[in-house]
Amino acid sequence: KAGVTQTPRYLIKTRGQQVTLSCSPISGHRSVSWYQQTPGQGLQFLFEYFSETQRNKGNFPGRFSGRQFSNSRSEMNVSTLELGDSALYLCASSPRLAGGITDTQYFGPGTRLTVL
Amino acid sequence: QKEVEQNSGPLSVPEGAIASLNCTYSDRGSQSFFWYRQYSGKSPELIMSIYSNGDKEDGRFTAQLNKASQYVSLLIRDSQPSDSATYLCAGGDYGGSQGNLIFGKGTKLSVKP
Repeated sequence: KAGVTQTPRYLIKTRGQQVTLSCSPISGHRSVSWYQQTPGQGLQFLFEYFSETQRNKGNFPGRFSGRQFSNSRSEMNVSTLELGDSALYLCASSPRLAGGITDTQYFGPGTRLTVL
Repeated sequence: QKEVEQNSGPLSVPEGAIASLNCTYSDRGSQSFFWYRQYSGKSPELIMSIYSNGDKEDGRFTAQLNKASQYVSLLIRDSQPSDSATYLCAGGDYGGSQGNLIFGKGTKLSVKP
């Protein structure tokens, strides 16, 4: 099976702009989670989508948003970019187990966002 | 605040030795735990998942889980220079969501030839 793909791999933006990142999960996986990774904070959870619905959201401002399409592909959007948004943005897909237990997540290569 | 704690290292071991990586977590409700390896500039790569108390072995890797002590560990036997990376411990959030992994900040491992 092909792995998780993310586009673009690298982005350079300026403050105040907005950006959209895309993620295609592993075939058959219906859950997509997004994380932000920075050297200081490590990996932090942004949000998770399952069957086109946002199931959970981390502690990030409303400038960070996302959506999921019927084919499970997901996008995340960051509006009014700030310097502190420079980070590696990772998408992870999961088949999702039943019973309330978090299933294994498989990460894509990430999108490196630099805000100038 | 649910947290996963790891010693940031660096942990340095000679080639062929056993590397021992440790992790504690605060959420008693967590049911699933994961070890990921991340090379510099790359994304996390799954090494092992563990759901039950005890040991789980996969090749040179053994994960250990003790839910009573809220403790997870990873042993790497016969360490190789290619094992040099940052190892991330993650716990599954049981707060009603299945999609949230809580990560430690990682332990940097260096295997010296």
